[in-house]
Amino acid sequence: QQQVKQSPQSLIVQKGGISIINCAYENTAFDYFPWYQQFPGKGPALLIAIRPDVSEKKEGRFTISFNKSAKQFSLHIMDSQPGDSATYFCAAKTGGYQKVTFGTGTKLQVIP
Amino acid sequence: EAGVAQSPRYKIIEKRQSVAFWCNPISGHATLYWYQQILGQGPKLLIQFQNNGVVDDSQLPKDRFSAERLKGVDSTLKIQPAKLEDSAVYLCASTRGTSGPLGNEQFFGPGTRLTVL
Repeated sequence: QQQVKQSPQSLIVQKGGISIINCAYENTAFDYFPWYQQFPGKGPALLIAIRPDVSEKKEGRFTISFNKSAKQFSLHIMDSQPGDSATYFCAAKTGGYQKVTFGTGTKLQVIP
Repeated sequence: EAGVAQSPRYKIIEKRQSVAFWCNPISGHATLYWYQQILGQGPKLLIQFQNNGVVDDSQLPKDRFSAERLKGVDSTLKIQPAKLEDSAVYLCASTRGTSGPLGNEQFFGPGTRLTVL
């Protein structure tokens, strides 16, 4: 019940294209859904996050779409750039002591 | 504001040896996490501290792993004895631990890459 399922495992997108990564969850107690970006040799860094009472959040080229009834959320990267090439993790947090469960990750490669 | 510090960055040991990792969270952050990240997978929570108390260690293999957070600041994670399957990156993260959106953001250190031969 604590799982967060993420797809695809890897993604290749042309420069300027749209990258889409999907996640699904089961636990309705999750109350915060962050996305993390991780470059090789570095720890994950928070990219953007959303609460379940909001259906969409946009920050620059990054947008989270959230479907509470379907228990799904996705990350859209518009105008993808080679510098966006990294591994992306969705995550979900329960309240109280803020335990975070991570998805399995998507390795994005943006080719020129 | 200084980030989360971890040391060492890399460690190579033989199986059955012991190893310890150190983490210094961001100043003032009440919540500290240790994660294990196996190559190609997402971080898996090992243990979570709130100040110097453990709030979740349900996925910590307690027969070989131990962790402490003295005085609610620095933390150490120890493995004794190590197994081949412990080869992974060990990430430390911290949050302010308060309510509200800023309290939720986890800041990660660079990790310690452990190789068990």
